[in-house]
Amino acid sequence: DGGITQSPKYLFRKEGQNVTLSCEQNLNHDAMYWYRQDPGQGLRLIYYSQIVNDFQKGDIAEGYSVSREKKESFPLTVTSAQKNPTAFYLCASSTPFGGRALQDTQYFGPGTRLLVL
Amino acid sequence: SQQGEEDPQALSIQEGENATMNCSYKTSINNLQWYRQNSGRGLVHLILIRSNEREKHSGRLRVTLDTSKKSSSLLITASRAADTASYFCATLAGGTSYGKLTFGQGTILTVHP
Repeated sequence: DGGITQSPKYLFRKEGQNVTLSCEQNLNHDAMYWYRQDPGQGLRLIYYSQIVNDFQKGDIAEGYSVSREKKESFPLTVTSAQKNPTAFYLCASSTPFGGRALQDTQYFGPGTRLLVL
Repeated sequence: SQQGEEDPQALSIQEGENATMNCSYKTSINNLQWYRQNSGRGLVHLILIRSNEREKHSGRLRVTLDTSKKSSSLLITASRAADTASYFCATLAGGTSYGKLTFGQGTILTVHP
């Protein structure tokens, strides 16, 4: 059963703590993305990766870090430098441009809701 | 920055009616996509229209694109209560590296049974 999984579903962060959100995909997609969604808002891009061992900052990268050591995995760390981390975090993946599948369509995971204690 | 602006922000209709949502954007695009999000869930891709296309259909969905006005509309015909969700447009800018979409703020659609 192909798809994107995110864990945990809910995550609680204490002051000064770094937390890591997991994102795994078995769709064999090259590109992966992290978005942040605040209540009643659209999605804002945090980081994206087009290929293993490479990633780029999105529009709101400050206070976040990522790694892309494997094609299937793109974990996001919310660091203590992110002063307002409470949000819904969505991970997505897509096929490379020029591929036979529908280009640039993004497939989303179920999301992780991060709350601050 | 959010390129897509959607209108209306919220739409409430009765089952069986049609629902129309609009999206405007600012710069040239490669394609425009519509996604749906049920409350507290991830987004699901609905339909993609390329910059050289004017209209596209998929089941009860009809999307139009007017590049001269930098706008798109999504029409859901014969709506059902199960269509209740938030709908987002997303644009892939012209000349952009693949996949880097910019999302609008969404339209919340409520379909009353």
